[in-house]
Amino acid sequence: DTAVSQTPKYLVTQMGNDKSIKCEQNLGHDTMYWYKQDSKKFLKIMFSYNNKELIINETVPNRFSPKSPDKAHLNLHINSLELGDSAVYFCASSQDPGLAYTDTQYFGPGTRLTVL
Amino acid sequence: QQQVKQSPQSLIVQKGGISIINCAYENTAFDYFPWYQQFPGKGPALLIAIRPDVSEKKEGRFTISFNKSAKQFSLHIMDSQPGDSATYFCAATDISGNTPLVFGKGTRLSVIA
Repeated sequence: DTAVSQTPKYLVTQMGNDKSIKCEQNLGHDTMYWYKQDSKKFLKIMFSYNNKELIINETVPNRFSPKSPDKAHLNLHINSLELGDSAVYFCASSQDPGLAYTDTQYFGPGTRLTVL
Repeated sequence: QQQVKQSPQSLIVQKGGISIINCAYENTAFDYFPWYQQFPGKGPALLIAIRPDVSEKKEGRFTISFNKSAKQFSLHIMDSQPGDSATYFCAATDISGNTPLVFGKGTRLSVIA
């Protein structure tokens, strides 16, 4: 009965490859997010989706493309992986689109991406 | 530009002591200030949050103190326990939804027996 789940938990890949991370939430929330946490633990939002529509796209390279097939899923596809993409990626969700950023965000367990 | 500055970066506290983590913000439009707790290998989880209409909010052993004029807020953990050992993030945003959550850089707290 995990609220926000991500797969895979670990991802090790070579530079230049394309990879995807999947996220699913069973909380019935309308808003989902992707965050990047670097090696220094700094947590930064990448994208926010509300009911399958992109509402926030922070300064992220266009090699990163989120895809939301339905409001319970928000996947992250990364093209042409670079060394600097190594980080832990967290998916999160919150309930109220009108108060998305003040509403409690529920985070997934994270996906540790290592680019060699 | 770092919009939320958090200190200290790491903190060691004796069991039973008080842990204090401080944050300062720059954007006067911020009006919602949550604290998130992250255990190793886990995602952050909301611990406690405050709006600027009050100067203090307490939930169990956790208290947020807020100073609007100084643009500062802090987390106090009373009677700190080894199970409180985690990384704590302060964050800020505005309830109008114009700004996504901006996180501080985190404080790694270790509570030792």
